[in-house]
Amino acid sequence: AQTVTQSQPEMSVQEAETVTLSCTYDTSENNYYLFWYKQPPSRQMILVIRQEAYKQQNATENRFSVNFQKAAKSFSLKISDSQLGDTAMYFCAFILSGDMRFGAGTRLTVKP
Amino acid sequence: DGGITQSPKYLFRKEGQNVTLSCEQNLNHDAMYWYRQDPGQGLRLIYYSQIVNDFQKGDIAEGYSVSREKKESFPLTVTSAQKNPTAFYLCASSIEPPGNPYGTYNEQFFGPGTRLTVL
Repeated sequence: AQTVTQSQPEMSVQEAETVTLSCTYDTSENNYYLFWYKQPPSRQMILVIRQEAYKQQNATENRFSVNFQKAAKSFSLKISDSQLGDTAMYFCAFILSGDMRFGAGTRLTVKP
Repeated sequence: DGGITQSPKYLFRKEGQNVTLSCEQNLNHDAMYWYRQDPGQGLRLIYYSQIVNDFQKGDIAEGYSVSREKKESFPLTVTSAQKNPTAFYLCASSIEPPGNPYGTYNEQFFGPGTRLTVL
């Protein structure tokens, strides 16, 4: 069974600085997808970034980028130029053939 | 506007009662999902459906039931057999059935959620 681990329950960062959230996963499969979702206080789940496992290039979306290390089964999220609106729970997720697994989440607080 | 709607936003239930949570999408997505979220935990899959009139159990299906009579709708019933139903419930959909690892749009789109409280 696939598992996703987020080892940082809480993190904080000063506004405008950079922060990296960690995620590791476990699977014996070779083709799958990885995601980072953001859940602000409204509790609406919002997709932040997506990575296909068969692509070696790390995904980037504006201030958000990932460091995908397939051999190490690691998928960290880097947020550059942090903004107050980035304060939220962040969930790492893994999907393979309809089986989507979420990590327990990291609560990120951006301080002014 | 296209999207996923869930109703109600807040729901209260007495012990021993069944209750049905609504989930509707107008995105023309094939697959739909129900998740449960508890404090300090990630989302756990209850049920998912890849096509109309077909659905599969997730990790925590006991005490829940679903139906998929229409592509747009995937209601979840929390039965009295669910021992600890107080939680936040999220519905999601994706543009194509899972199981296609080379598909481009496997991301799931989420509804706003329903907070269920058992009194």
